[in-house]
Amino acid sequence: EAGVAQSPRYKIIEKRQSVAFWCNPISGHATLYWYQQILGQGPKLLIQFQNNGVVDDSQLPKDRFSAERLKGVDSTLKIQPAKLEDSAVYLCASNRQGKSSPLHFGNGTRLTVT
Amino acid sequence: GQQVMQIPQYQHVQEGEDFTTYCNSSTTLSNIQWYKQRPGGHPVFLIQLVKSGEVKKQKRLTFQFGEAKKNSSLHITATQTTDVGTYFCAGDTGTASKLTFGTGTRLQVTL
Repeated sequence: EAGVAQSPRYKIIEKRQSVAFWCNPISGHATLYWYQQILGQGPKLLIQFQNNGVVDDSQLPKDRFSAERLKGVDSTLKIQPAKLEDSAVYLCASNRQGKSSPLHFGNGTRLTVT
Repeated sequence: GQQVMQIPQYQHVQEGEDFTTYCNSSTTLSNIQWYKQRPGGHPVFLIQLVKSGEVKKQKRLTFQFGEAKKNSSLHITATQTTDVGTYFCAGDTGTASKLTFGTGTRLQVTL
């Protein structure tokens, strides 16, 4: 099966600019996650979707971050305006509906904010 | 909120030596998953443990879930250079299948 697709792979922006990331999960996977991984740390959940509904966005900085999954398939994550501390790898993951099935991660987008 | 800590943060071993990483959760878990992330790569699922005291083996890797379901360990026997990477545990409290990743243990293996 095709894996989780993410784009772009790399992005360099200046602080206060905006940026968007795109993710297409594995076909048939109802749940989609966006994680932020700062260098040297574990992935931190930003938002979890079940189909096109938000399950958990408790750790999403909503003043600057937004995400959507309008048709329950692909998703976009946006940052506006970006801060220096947003420099990280943004990982998209998906899994089948159902309790605790393994996460399948995309290759991530490495964001550098200067 | 839930916290998942791992120790050690980093370990450097000679090829052929054993390696163990320990994972501790601040709350009781319904299950725990382990992932491996190679340098520059993304996390890849290794295994899931569900039952109290469960032990699972994958070739040279042995995974254990504590009796109280708050801790877990991963032991690698006779490490190889292909084992290099960061190992993360991820705990699920059972609420909407929300996984909290641990802080990770970075393993370096040299000849």
